[in-house]
Amino acid sequence: AQSVTQPDIHITVSEGASLELRCNYSYGATPYLFWYVQSPGQGLQLLLKYFSGDTLVQGIKGFEAEFKRSQSSFNLRKPSVHWSDAAEYFCAVGFSGGYQKVTFGTGTKLQVIP
Amino acid sequence: DTGVSQDPRHKITKRGQNVTFRCDPISEHNRLYWYRQTLGQGPEFLTYFQNEAQLEKSRLLSDRFSAERPKGSFSTLEIQRTEQGDSAMYLCASSPPRRTSRNTGELFFGEGSRLTVL
Repeated sequence: AQSVTQPDIHITVSEGASLELRCNYSYGATPYLFWYVQSPGQGLQLLLKYFSGDTLVQGIKGFEAEFKRSQSSFNLRKPSVHWSDAAEYFCAVGFSGGYQKVTFGTGTKLQVIP
Repeated sequence: DTGVSQDPRHKITKRGQNVTFRCDPISEHNRLYWYRQTLGQGPEFLTYFQNEAQLEKSRLLSDRFSAERPKGSFSTLEIQRTEQGDSAMYLCASSPPRRTSRNTGELFFGEGSRLTVL
């Protein structure tokens, strides 16, 4: 069965600093990988996704993520964090079956300090 | 293009009562999913519909839970005899048919229905 591990429950960064959120997945074949963001009281918004091809993917709001098959990782990065990036971030894995059943990690809560 | 809408946004109920949540997906999306999210956890898959057919149910979906999508459009999730452990955010998501140009693999989520069982 597919699974996702986000080892960092909570991360605090200063505004303007760089950010990296870690994600490791377990899946037997080439996965579909996603990063979603959730603001308090809101639903989830897709930041970016990887299906195939270039292992460095660009997303919205200046985020990017790199798929590393050898490490089973899909870490999310942003070079300069803004206060509005404070939210909870979820890594997720799906597969190219008949439908998009997606399994989520437990999330990383990002706090941005001035 | 309206997004996924869920109703009610918040529900407080007493243990033992029944509750029902409604989800209206994006109009051209034939796939609909229900997830449950508890505090400090990521969303957990509950069930999936393709059109009106319920094609998969998680073991999390006990016999007190039932989901329907009678006409392949909106869906309802009913919880009977609620327990305090049912307190969670219930998220609905939808996606377009698989082999369409609009299918990017993304699930489009509603803002959720938060259930509190006292």
